[in-house]
Amino acid sequence: GAVVSQHPSWVICKSGTSVKIECRSLDFQATTMFWYRQFPKQSLMLMATSNEGSKATYEQGVEKDKFLINHASLTLSTLTVTSAHPEDSSFYICSAIPGGSNEKLFFGSGTQLSVL
Amino acid sequence: AQTVTQSQPEMSVQEAETVTLSCTYDTSESDYYLFWYKQPPSRQMILVIRQEAYKQQNATENRFSVNFQKAAKSFSLKISDSQLGDAAMYFCAYARDDKIIFGKGTRLHILP
Repeated sequence: GAVVSQHPSWVICKSGTSVKIECRSLDFQATTMFWYRQFPKQSLMLMATSNEGSKATYEQGVEKDKFLINHASLTLSTLTVTSAHPEDSSFYICSAIPGGSNEKLFFGSGTQLSVL
Repeated sequence: AQTVTQSQPEMSVQEAETVTLSCTYDTSESDYYLFWYKQPPSRQMILVIRQEAYKQQNATENRFSVNFQKAAKSFSLKISDSQLGDAAMYFCAYARDDKIIFGKGTRLHILP
């Protein structure tokens, strides 16, 4: 089946630094990728929708300048948490749709971000 | 706006028994997809089953089946012969175009 690779799985950083999370579709082209944030024991909260070659569409309440999303190719999207603070600590998950259809949605394994 | 509601925050079932997880949704659209995803302690999201709204036949995947009631906007998941490995958080989701909306989830406990 389709595989989405997300890296890193874990990251610990100091407050004020930036962290980049990568999401790659390994065996299909993903015109659309999604980034979610998940707090403990809660559901996935959609942060933004990333389309290859264009600017990401952010959900209401998500700071564009804080969470920079780049979808430079059909197989790679990145989320950069800029000037991270402890309140940004969370589990971040990406997902991708093969061929632009939401018939199937494949998820990365997630990244646990801890900001000290 | 579309919404997805899972009214059971937690459920428990005896191993080998059958359990049904509830999900309702709200939409004015006629064509969409519905999903059940499983999130075990590893936190990897795993697709359990998918239903296309234009198909009347309920989807089935081995021990997992759904009861899709389009008019009632209900999409419940039945797990038969529950196994210890089924213990996880289960999310119901609605998708149309580029949007996918998740319910708050139901944590399923399997009692040995």
